[in-house]
Amino acid sequence: GDSVTQMEGPVTLSEEAFLTINCTYTATGYPSLFWYVQYPGEGLQLLLKATKADDKGSNKGFEATYRKETTSFHLEKGSVQVSDSAVYFCALSDQGAQKLVFGQGTRLTINP
Amino acid sequence: EAQVTQNPRYLITVTGKKLTVTCSQNMNHEYMSWYRQDPGLGLRQIYYSMNVEVTDKGDVPEGYKVSRKEKRNFPLILESPSPNQTSLYFCASSRNRGGEYFGPGTRLTVT
Repeated sequence: GDSVTQMEGPVTLSEEAFLTINCTYTATGYPSLFWYVQYPGEGLQLLLKATKADDKGSNKGFEATYRKETTSFHLEKGSVQVSDSAVYFCALSDQGAQKLVFGQGTRLTINP
Repeated sequence: EAQVTQNPRYLITVTGKKLTVTCSQNMNHEYMSWYRQDPGLGLRQIYYSMNVEVTDKGDVPEGYKVSRKEKRNFPLILESPSPNQTSLYFCASSRNRGGEYFGPGTRLTVT
């Protein structure tokens, strides 16, 4: 079945550091790919998405490119802020499927 | 403001006492679903609904019921809660596969 694998956390960085959170997927069809962010005590918010190969999703300085050849959707940000501290989830939605399949989540902590 | 609301946000109950967690969205979305989030297991889908009166099981439906009598509401019903249903529950809605809007979550403890 479909699955999503994220790099294990927690990840701790200093403010203004470069961020990469790896995400790879397994899917039988041509999925849409998503990154969600969960701040403490809150629900999940859609951060960015890509619906086909080579698409780049971007939002709030975060970017991720849909790489079909490597089945990856890595999240990147050039300069992180303390306010980016949260749990990040990679997810996919396969054609015909009526659900999101989530990775385990990566807890990110940014120190001032 | 586009949003998904859930009530209650926190609930402590005892084994076997029926409860309902309400979910409502104001975006006129056809598709709604319920997920539970557990440490080490991530988020798993419980039930989903494609439209009014159309519901189907997700990955972990045992012990849960849902109904979709109106487009905006999708309540989750636990008729006889057990301790293994202690979890963080999220309701979500979307228009299509463009990504789901999530509610703020309901933290349920069953003793």
